[in-house]
This record gives sequence, structure tokens and C-alpha cells, in this order.
Amino acid sequence: AQSVTQLDSHVSVSEGTPVLLRCNYSSSYSPSLFWYVQHPNKGLQLLLKYTSAATLVKGINGFEAEFKKSETSFHLTKPSAHMSDAAEYFCVVRGLDTGRRALTFGSGTRLQVQP
Amino acid sequence: ETGVTQSPTHLIKTRGQQVTLRCSSQSGHNTVSWYQQALGQGPQFIFQYYREEENGRGNFPPRFSGLQFPNYSSELNVNALELDDSALYLCASSLRSGGATDTQYFGPGTRLTVL
Repeated sequence: AQSVTQLDSHVSVSEGTPVLLRCNYSSSYSPSLFWYVQHPNKGLQLLLKYTSAATLVKGINGFEAEFKKSETSFHLTKPSAHMSDAAEYFCVVRGLDTGRRALTFGSGTRLQVQP
Repeated sequence: ETGVTQSPTHLIKTRGQQVTLRCSSQSGHNTVSWYQQALGQGPQFIFQYYREEENGRGNFPPRFSGLQFPNYSSELNVNALELDDSALYLCASSLRSGGATDTQYFGPGTRLTVL
């Protein structure tokens, strides 16, 4: 079985400052890990994914995440926040269980960006 | 935009009624997954369909059922609606080609309210 824990339910930053959204995972197998973003009243948009290639993954809109197996972490970062980054962010894991390719979502982190 | 569409956008039903939600996959995708997202929570996996067969199910009762059609579009049916079924229902399509890295792309969702 696999699971993810998002360590912060809310993060507030000022525009132009760095963003750090924390995620720890648990998986019996080598996991595939994703970050999705959900803007209000919108569907989920893929930000980036890790699939056992490079441990530092670059995504859209300047976001990146680093896979650290020793720490079982997959934290999402961005050097400089923009007002449009305000949204709900989900860390997601998918294991390799036979017959199951379901995504397991964390509980989400709401990012607020102050002007 | 992901190319995944869902209908209707919003729906209001009363307890005990039945509902059908629809999803059109992104072109070239052969797998559809359905998720339920209750207010303030992360999405939870309901089930997945691959080549018209159910291919994994989450912890949802049998009154949640689905179909996938030859054109890979899909339906989610919920019988005997309960108040707790009020949620955003998300459909995700992906291409399953034997590997484990089929990324899921989400539609905008259907907001179901049960009164």
C-alpha cells in the first residue's frame, strides 16, 4: 500500500518570496510521485511527476520537486511566488500494485500569496 | 486544457435518487479513472476502467458503478443517493501501454449536491 502526508494544510507567503510545500510518502514499491494543483472551482492540473529518472524534477510555472529516498520526501518548491500561484496543491503517489494504477492523494496544502 | 470533458457541470438530486455522470477521454487514451472529492479533502479513488473492464476499485459500495464504451468514454452511476455523496466527481483519462508511467489527466469535474 502507499500513502502521502502533506505536512502543512495552509502555507502563506508574500509575492516574490520562495514557496516550500512539504510532502512525505510511504510506498512498498519504487513509487511514481506527482504534484497536482487545483484552482478554485477547477479540475486538477499536473505540475510535475517523478518516475525514477532524475531526482530533481522540473515542472510547469517554475515549480520543481526533489525526490529524496532516504527521507521519503518529495517537497515542492518555487523560487518566487506569484499571485496566480494561490491554489490548493496535492501531493500524489501511485504504486505498482498489480491491477491497481490508482492515485493516492494527500489531504492538500492551500497556498495563499499575499501582495 | 487537458481535453477531458465531463457533463453535467452541476447537478442537484434528492436522497434516494439515481444519477449518471459522463466523461469523454482525451484523444488516444484508453483508461478512465473516477475520483470523489468531498469538500476540503483530497480526491479519493472510486474505480478505473481499461478497455471496457473494471480494473481496480477503491473503498466504495456497489451502488457506485461504471461503464466504459468502445470509444473510451465513460459513465459513473450512483444509485440510492445519500447526503454524503455530495461532492465533486472527477474523471481522469490516461494511456495504459504496459508501463507504469501513464499520467492521469483530469477533467473539470461534476459538482453533485444531494438534498
